[in-house]
Amino acid sequence: KAGVTQTPRYLIKTRGQQVTLSCSPISGHRSVSWYQQTPGQGLQFLFEYFSETQRNKGNFPGRFSGRQFSNSRSEMNVSTLELGDSALYLCASRVQRTSYGYTFGSGTRLTVV
Amino acid sequence: QQPVQSPQAVILREGEDAVINCSSSKALYSVHWYRQKHGEAPVFLMILLKGGEQKGHDKISASFNEKKQQSSLYLTASQLSYSGTYFCGTEIVGDDKIIFGKGTRLHILP
Repeated sequence: KAGVTQTPRYLIKTRGQQVTLSCSPISGHRSVSWYQQTPGQGLQFLFEYFSETQRNKGNFPGRFSGRQFSNSRSEMNVSTLELGDSALYLCASRVQRTSYGYTFGSGTRLTVV
Repeated sequence: QQPVQSPQAVILREGEDAVINCSSSKALYSVHWYRQKHGEAPVFLMILLKGGEQKGHDKISASFNEKKQQSSLYLTASQLSYSGTYFCGTEIVGDDKIIFGKGTRLHILP
């Protein structure tokens, strides 16, 4: 079966702009989580969505937001981009909210200049 | 509440064994283990649930000490393909999000 699909793979944006990243989970997976990965901080939890509702949010400013659609696809948005937002953004899906492992997408590499 | 992994890095020769540890200050419901190779996405290895059994497949296994909120990943007779960064992820009781440790870099030499 198809894996977790993230688009686009690469993005270059200018400070102050906004960006939207997309994630299509594995069919049947209802839980979608987003992580920011940087060399210094590792995998930082952004948020988790289940049944179109945000269930958990990490310690990120309000510039980071997301949503989930009825088909479980998810988007995350970052407004007013800062240089420090440059990172690999990973989407992960799983069947239910707990007791299952994640399947990660290949990520979107965001560079803010 | 980020779990603490040790060691930060390990260099082994092919065929040697390795143990990676993960500990939390919170009561855990589950511990996940993932491996990430350079330039690739993390790949799920196994999950250990509170009250569950020790997991394992082939030469990679893990344990979960619920009293100490600690987990260990065991790699036996390591192969070149085991190289990568290993992350543990923890789910705290009552909070379903997975928080990852900073990772352990494992390098296997031929």
